Amino acid sequence: NAGVMQNPRHLVRRRGQEARLRCSPMKGHSHVYWYRQLPEEGLKFMVYLQKENIIDESGMPKERFSAEFPKEGPSILRIQQVVRGDSAAYFCASSPNFGTSGIMDTQYFGPGTRLTVL
Amino acid sequence: DQQVKQNSPSLSVQEGRISILNCDYTNSMFDYFLWYKKYPAEGPTFLISISSIKDKNEDGRFTVFLNKSAKHLSLHIVPSQPGDSAVYFCAASASKAAGNKLTFGGGTRVLVKP
Repeated sequence: NAGVMQNPRHLVRRRGQEARLRCSPMKGHSHVYWYRQLPEEGLKFMVYLQKENIIDESGMPKERFSAEFPKEGPSILRIQQVVRGDSAAYFCASSPNFGTSGIMDTQYFGPGTRLTVL
Repeated sequence: DQQVKQNSPSLSVQEGRISILNCDYTNSMFDYFLWYKKYPAEGPTFLISISSIKDKNEDGRFTVFLNKSAKHLSLHIVPSQPGDSAVYFCAASASKAAGNKLTFGGGTRVLVKP
């Protein structure tokens, strides 16, 4: 999957705990996207970040969810006080640019983190 | 409101024959379309894309056709191979919208029989 790294690959949490999902984009990519896939559904956009900036968080629940992409280190998707409905596969994607040349840039996906909430 | 729809949840095809996957969209702002392939427990893998200024794009065994007036695109795989068995997702984005977020269809599960 084109070098996007995600960890952990599997994460089990009990209700009320916190989940932290990490994503390292491909080398040279400065744009990170998080998507969630519920069982038997397609991927749903959550948030788009550049270094130190959240550009679009329209798909992310307003409560309990937060994301960051610091100047140094991976992007983090944080879910506080997890509930069973948060159980899903969370995918990170990265791209080099946002269509600054007039050409849309392809997003390359990581292997995902499968979160299970007991 | 499902802006991108893949109406066939599954498709079975014989090895060597053509696989045709369909995708419909409703948002007229979409101007860039992609197909991804996904194996179980892995992330989606990019296959092929098409811009709205084109009506066809070809890459090896994969060809994507875009019919803007019908808001319809299709992916042709020929010849189909057993390794093509996977779930295929159609995705769309709007270059004029803020960000480059992808809107995905629900996927079509393809089974290629030897």
